Amino acid sequence: KNEVEQSPQNLTAQEGEFITINCSYSVGISALHWLQQHPGGGIVSLFMLSSGKKKHGRLIATINIQEKHSSLHITASHPRDSAVYICAVGGTSGSRLTFGEGTQLTVNP
Amino acid sequence: NAGVTQTPKFQVLKTGQSMTLQCAQDMNHEYMSWYRQDPGMGLRLIHYSVGAGITDQGEVPNGYNVSRSTTEDFPLRLLSAAPSQTSVYFCASSRQGANNRGEQFFGPGTRLTVL
Repeated sequence: KNEVEQSPQNLTAQEGEFITINCSYSVGISALHWLQQHPGGGIVSLFMLSSGKKKHGRLIATINIQEKHSSLHITASHPRDSAVYICAVGGTSGSRLTFGEGTQLTVNP
Repeated sequence: NAGVTQTPKFQVLKTGQSMTLQCAQDMNHEYMSWYRQDPGMGLRLIHYSVGAGITDQGEVPNGYNVSRSTTEDFPLRLLSAAPSQTSVYFCASSRQGANNRGEQFFGPGTRLTVL
């Protein structure tokens, strides 16, 4: 079993829909990262969480440490949100990140 | 700031050839890392460095060497390329490596094909 599991693997939505991507992990962590990989391949950091909730524009990330679960929400989705969304966790010791396989999101106009 | 830069963007090698993938950052980040990305798998850590002169192995280090002589540069060397090393390689940096609380900055990637 992977240490980081994302669901769904693929998600297709219509423009304007509310989207949720989930990330579950099996180890104790110090931080969880949400990343976005555009069709061109570039990877950008969206959020870094260690507790609670963060919001940036139409994106909201939450984390529940007790349940070892995080969600990434996109409100009023737009075709430009089409990308792969990647969850990564940093352990309580050392300097490594462990990545989920990613969720491919397609938003149709 | 240029952020994290990688060269080349694309490379084709023959089995047995060696080459160096270049990575540089201009943000004075202590932590730098190399990942490979393969279809159906998450990013996997090859090697990382927590500062100049300090490197360590990641999850999949075999067949790769790194060095960190300066804060800015973190080259990845393929010693004798194999088809299994066909992948997309990403370099990343962050201000804080310990406990991974630092925002991660990624380079644009190098697409490597080994024939």
